[in-house]
Amino acid sequence: GQNIDQPTEMTATEGAIVQINCTYQTSGFNGLFWYQQHAGEAPTFLSYNVLDGLEEKGRFSSFLSRSKGYSYLLLKELQMKDSASYLCAVRSTKGGYNKLIFGAGTRLAVHP
Amino acid sequence: DTAVSQTPKYLVTQMGNDKSIKCEQNLGHDTMYWYKQDSKKFLKIMFSYNNKELIINETVPNRFSPKSPDKAHLNLHINSLELGDSAVYFCASSPNRDGNYGYTFGSGTRLTVV
Repeated sequence: GQNIDQPTEMTATEGAIVQINCTYQTSGFNGLFWYQQHAGEAPTFLSYNVLDGLEEKGRFSSFLSRSKGYSYLLLKELQMKDSASYLCAVRSTKGGYNKLIFGAGTRLAVHP
Repeated sequence: DTAVSQTPKYLVTQMGNDKSIKCEQNLGHDTMYWYKQDSKKFLKIMFSYNNKELIINETVPNRFSPKSPDKAHLNLHINSLELGDSAVYFCASSPNRDGNYGYTFGSGTRLTVV
């Protein structure tokens, strides 16, 4: 089956660092995405990992370990505007076609 | 210019009605999708079209019928609306059916069935 787990909620302080974990079990794994979704808005692309290791993009980094079925999103120098839901999504080729399967998201609250 | 635009943004309707949601993308992408986000915030894929051809059709009631008149448009028609259809429906597009460049999402249509 397809299963993606991430914590439901996290809180952090402005200026701090936070790590949001995602574990997955899926057949036909072909890459992992992180999306940011502010309340009432569309998800927006943050990062994509297809090989093991760390991808860094400004204040945001994403890590993937395919053997462990594990990824994390690291947010540095947190700002109030980072308060949002962060969605882990696995790209799967199960069934012969590519599709993104999303986790339920982690709601991050950044406070002063 | 909005890359992926959906209309309407909000839709409130009674049970049993038929309604349509429209989606257009101006990115020149080949592939478009419909996702449903329920109250628990799970985004679940419903349909995907690649160059007007249906390529993904998840387990969705046949009251839902997508239509793609051309590769820039993907509409969703829902017959005999039920309370459980209340959700936010997101349209998305990607350059190709591989999806390896990620998806660009529209701003969503919040459907409330009363």
